Amino acid sequence: EVQLVESGGGLVQPGRSLRLSCAASGFTFDDYAMHWVRQTPGKGLEWVSGISWNSGSIAYADSVKGRFTISRDNAKNSLYLQMNSLRAEDTALYYCAKDKYVSGSYSPFDNWGQGTLVTVSS
Amino acid sequence: EIVLTQSPGTLSLSPGERATLSCRASQSVRSSYLAWYQQKPGQAPRLLIHGASSRATGIPDRFSGSGSGTDFILTISRLEPEDFAVYYCQHYGSSKLTFGGGTKVEIK
Repeated sequence: EVQLVESGGGLVQPGRSLRLSCAASGFTFDDYAMHWVRQTPGKGLEWVSGISWNSGSIAYADSVKGRFTISRDNAKNSLYLQMNSLRAEDTALYYCAKDKYVSGSYSPFDNWGQGTLVTVSS
Repeated sequence: EIVLTQSPGTLSLSPGERATLSCRASQSVRSSYLAWYQQKPGQAPRLLIHGASSRATGIPDRFSGSGSGTDFILTISRLEPEDFAVYYCQHYGSSKLTFGGGTKVEIK
């Protein structure tokens, strides 16, 4: 059974940093691209960032480019999101999501974690 | 970046009725790289449809997707009580993925 477990969320002041982690199990982690998606309380979904299976291809939403860094450690079956210069508008539930198709294909997300809440407030 | 506009924002229907949800793209979605997700309160989204019309594993056949280019439709043929939820479309055919704003299907 595929499991994605996010951690690292919490309350942080504007301008500070936070690092999210996603522990993956139940599938061959280094076969799949992975993503971070966020959801503001009561609002819709926003794709944040994605990383290919070998970290060779990385993309960011314009809203976080230059402030957030996605990375992965295939030896540890883990995905990360380093969030710097946090703003109030970054407050959201952050989900880790797995591509449905193996590396090299455009793909929807077939598994999601339960999310970790990030609150940016003074 | 492709912008996805979903309509209506809210759909009020009764169990047993047919639901038709729309997702319109700001430019053509190549190769129908369009997916639909269902999200219930307190839960993560669940993949329903990919490739515009292919049901994901375990999804009942009352859910169907259609469309191409810029106009896509999710149809729920007969609403079951567990189908009342929020539905999102997603474009995944480029390095920058986007979601629509969602349609809430509520009990009338």
